[in-house]
Amino acid sequence: GESVGLHLPTLSVQEGDNSIINCAYSNSASDYFIWYKQESGKGPQFIIDIRSNMDKRQGQRVTVLLNKTVKHLSLQIAATQPGDSAVYFCAEGHSGYALNFGKGTSLLVTP
Amino acid sequence: NAGVTQTPKFQVLKTGQSMTLQCAQDMNHEYMSWYRQDPGMGLRLIHYSVGAGITDQGEVPNGYNVSRSTTEDFPLRLLSAAPSQTSVYFCASSDRDRGYTFGSGTRLTVV
Repeated sequence: GESVGLHLPTLSVQEGDNSIINCAYSNSASDYFIWYKQESGKGPQFIIDIRSNMDKRQGQRVTVLLNKTVKHLSLQIAATQPGDSAVYFCAEGHSGYALNFGKGTSLLVTP
Repeated sequence: NAGVTQTPKFQVLKTGQSMTLQCAQDMNHEYMSWYRQDPGMGLRLIHYSVGAGITDQGEVPNGYNVSRSTTEDFPLRLLSAAPSQTSVYFCASSDRDRGYTFGSGTRLTVV
């Protein structure tokens, strides 16, 4: 079946560095992708989304890149801060509704 | 603006008991869904609804029922609780253009 996966389960970065979290998807019909952040004991929080007609979208300190040729999605966080420590999920879906979530990457920001 | 409200936050059930997890949203979103999250895993879709009166099964529907009599409410019913249903349950609603908004979760333990 179709799946969404993450290349690395954990990522450790130093405060101030840039972080890159990667995600692979296999459903070529997916046209909508979202990144979520989940802090311990809380529900997932929307970070940024991108549609399949785009290859890059920027937010505040975050950038999402979409490579449809290799079915790859990445989240870049600039100047990573301790408050960025969390689990990050990618999700893919159709027609604006995300239906399939990856297992998550744990980001740890060290001083 | 409350967003997505889930109740209760914590629940302990005995095997075989039934209960209903409540979910309400005040954003007039058409799409609502229920996920479960187990340790070290991503979110798995249980049931979803694309509008009042319409529900469908997700990836792991067995042992759960849903109904959608109003746009605002989307309760999840456990018919006969089993230890395998110990998990954290998240309800989410979606605006097609902005991804999901999640509730804060219900932590369920079945003993």
